[in-house]
Formats: sequence, C-alpha cells, structure tokens
Amino acid sequence: NAGVMQNPRHLVRRRGQEARLRCSPMKGHSHVYWYRQLPEEGLKFMVYLQKENIIDESGMPKERFSAEFPKEGPSILRIQQVVRGDSAAYFCASSLQGTISYEQYFGPGTRLTVT
Amino acid sequence: GEDVEQSLFLSVREGDSSVINCTYTDSSSTYLYWYKQEPGAGLQLLTYIFSNMDMKQDQRLTVLLNKKDKHLSLRIADTQTGDSAIYFCAESLPNAGNMLTFGGGTRLMVKP
Repeated sequence: NAGVMQNPRHLVRRRGQEARLRCSPMKGHSHVYWYRQLPEEGLKFMVYLQKENIIDESGMPKERFSAEFPKEGPSILRIQQVVRGDSAAYFCASSLQGTISYEQYFGPGTRLTVT
Repeated sequence: GEDVEQSLFLSVREGDSSVINCTYTDSSSTYLYWYKQEPGAGLQLLTYIFSNMDMKQDQRLTVLLNKKDKHLSLRIADTQTGDSAIYFCAESLPNAGNMLTFGGGTRLMVKP
C-alpha cells in the first residue's frame, strides 16, 4: 500500500507563472489536506477537501490559490501568477475518515521555488 | 501570538535523554501530536496523546501532558544520532474540522 504521493518533488517557476502541485492520497483515503511550510517555520493549514468538495479553506489566501479533489485523479493545488513569497514546501496529507486527526498521513512535499 | 510554541533548538550528547517542550493556548484541544521531520522529507507521526491523558509511553518516547499549564513535552530516552531532526508539536481542536495547528518546530542536534 503506497503512501501519500506528491509530485513534483521540486518545482521552479518564474514570477507570474502558474504552479500546479499534485497529491495522490493513500489508497482508500477520501480526505485530503494541504499545508504550507515557509522556510524555518512550522506547517500552516491551507485547505481540507473530500472528493469533489471543499470542506474548509480557511487557511487559503483569497487570491491566486485554488484547490480541487476530483472524483477521479489526484488532488491539485494551483497557484496562479506566483510571487517570490510563494516559495515554500507544500505538504499534502490524507486520511481514511475525517473524524480522527491522528490518521493524517503526510506526503514528502513539493518544494516550490519562485525565481 | 502563535497558538503553539516551541523552543527553536536543542543539543544533546548521544546516549543522553532529550526533552522537547511545547506550549499551547487552546484548552479545548482534543489530540496533541509529535511529528518528526528529517531534512528534505515529509512529516512522520511519532506519537499522539488524547487530551484526557497525562502520560503516554511508547518505547523510547514518553509524552507528558499538563493540561493546567497547557504544556506538552516529548522525552526521547537514549538519544541516537539518527534522532537528529526537527520535531513539531501539533494540536487538533474539536470545532476546527480536522486541521492540525503546528508549532514552529524544535531542531534537535545529537552529538556523538
């Protein structure tokens, strides 16, 4: 049973370009969470999704950021018109049920660098 | 201020015990967690404690929870060089869905 997979592991974008980060949850998991880790800081919650639904996006910046988790395929975190401040590690976690937090399993992260 | 706070850095000698501390502000936390992050890697859940417990032991790891002082600690017995990493504490709240709130992390350096 493969763990949470994220790709790409490293992504370099120029200012103004779009970044697409993908997350494939563990097999059978239908809940996905995205967190952002700025350099030398802890992880900050961004968004919580179930299949085809956004449950909680209280941590998402209001502009340029969007997330989806379609019925088929991975969850996508999309950042439009990236700026240098978007440079960070983006982690995805998945869980089988949405009720017990300790069941969140983290992926290896995507490290985004904006030049 | 931050909801969850940790000291930035801890250095110990191999074989000694390490104690990493964490304070949190919300007394309604349901679960509290310790995660380990090695360089360039994701987060590995080490252990967790339910808020109605005050201690949990798992092999070399001991978690102590003082709800009155809102203080959580992680003790690593017989610390090894492979324990060198960043350790994050995190909390979940009953009315915050399933999101985790993390501290800033404590970098543990183990000297041989």
